[in-house]
Amino acid sequence: DTGVSQNPRHKITKRGQNVTFRCDPISEHNRLYWYRQTLGQGPEFLTYFQNEAQLEKSRLLSDRFSAERPKGSFSTLEIQRTEQGDSAMYLCASSLASGPRGRLELFFGEGSRLTVL
Amino acid sequence: DAKTTQPNSMESNEEEPVHLPCNHSTISGTDYIHWYRQLPSQGPEYVIHGLTSNVNNRMASLAIAEDRKSSTLILHRATLRDAAVYYCILPQGGSEKLVFGKGTKLTVNP
Repeated sequence: DTGVSQNPRHKITKRGQNVTFRCDPISEHNRLYWYRQTLGQGPEFLTYFQNEAQLEKSRLLSDRFSAERPKGSFSTLEIQRTEQGDSAMYLCASSLASGPRGRLELFFGEGSRLTVL
Repeated sequence: DAKTTQPNSMESNEEEPVHLPCNHSTISGTDYIHWYRQLPSQGPEYVIHGLTSNVNNRMASLAIAEDRKSSTLILHRATLRDAAVYYCILPQGGSEKLVFGKGTKLTVNP
């Protein structure tokens, strides 16, 4: 396993269209996270799953955003009716549920860059 | 998450040590201090974490103040590949997510 894989790496879309991103985590990891990052800012937490259960969802996540992890493996993040403000890098990360001695080690993918025209 | 304060940017010369500071005066007793870094065009990566005592690994050292209100990430010999944004993060006890601030952008000069 080579790490967290995200597809597509780049997506250009017109305002109002729907887009979907896919994340394949490291195979034995049961936690999966989605973050969004805009230029000059740190990553913003969006949501995370443990297995197939969505345990937390940020208030930043409007109802146009939905994430799923149906079988506890890969995950999809869908954005409906995209707006220009959705342009960002969408990062996925995975981890094991509990690391040793307080270690919270998330392994990030290289991200999916969305440009909304 | 407990609030952290980091300088926006720092510069270093190649092969010199770098000390990246982080203030976290509202830290609680169970908060572990984590450091991540983000290289250009990549996702963040774990660097090191600690609770009370200083920690070393192959990437860096973490020096934690006795009162735990501040910590310092130490890169012993900076290389050009260490140029990145470094994030100091304190997940609240029991929290399973990382909340990133703006971090410190480290520039390494040849």
